[in-house]
Amino acid sequence: AQKVIQVWSTASRQEGEELTLDCSYETSQVLYHLFWYKHLLSGEMVFLIRQMSSSTAKERSGRYSVVFQKSLKSISLVISALQPDDSGKYFCALWELGDMGYKLTFGTGTSLLVDP
Amino acid sequence: EAAVTQSPRNKVAVTGGKVTLSCNQTNNHNNMYWYRQDTGHGLRLIHYSYGAGSTEKGDIPDGYKASRPSQENFSLILELATPSQTSVYFCASGDARTVYAEQFFGPGTRLTVL
Repeated sequence: AQKVIQVWSTASRQEGEELTLDCSYETSQVLYHLFWYKHLLSGEMVFLIRQMSSSTAKERSGRYSVVFQKSLKSISLVISALQPDDSGKYFCALWELGDMGYKLTFGTGTSLLVDP
Repeated sequence: EAAVTQSPRNKVAVTGGKVTLSCNQTNNHNNMYWYRQDTGHGLRLIHYSYGAGSTEKGDIPDGYKASRPSQENFSLILELATPSQTSVYFCASGDARTVYAEQFFGPGTRLTVL
């Protein structure tokens, strides 16, 4: 069963709009991290933002922020003031202690297209 | 300049041939990882390493070997390539001193096995 689920495989918005990308996850660990990465059209994979399971702070990095609903095991990435360069594929990832040590499990990604 | 580099960036191989994908990092990270990314799947972990001389099996190690001859270099080896190994491969490094540190990824290698 998929541990990290990104329901929407694609999304499209107009420049200047705001977008929320949803991600749900499964874990039995108390302490874990959640990451959002962006796969650029150039092929590069870029770290965007991190949420610690123990933190209640609303994480924010530039135009990126997260909505973390721990009890629902849900984390959403919010991108404000969308720009065409925001086009790419966004991955949610869960970092937790597993049978073979700490590991990062990725969702299947959401491809975003931002029209100018 | 990029801290994690991969070579080659694109590779076409024939079934049964040997393929070596190379990764170099200048982050001085102990941990390095090899993933593959396929449509409908997230990145899946193939092999990883805790340091020079160490290699560990990830979630999908079958058909792959790994080699970590130094802190900076981590190779993924396909001894007998098959069409099912056509994919985009990512190498990443991470700081072992910080348990929940983010991983830094290379630009990816697109491998096609004919």
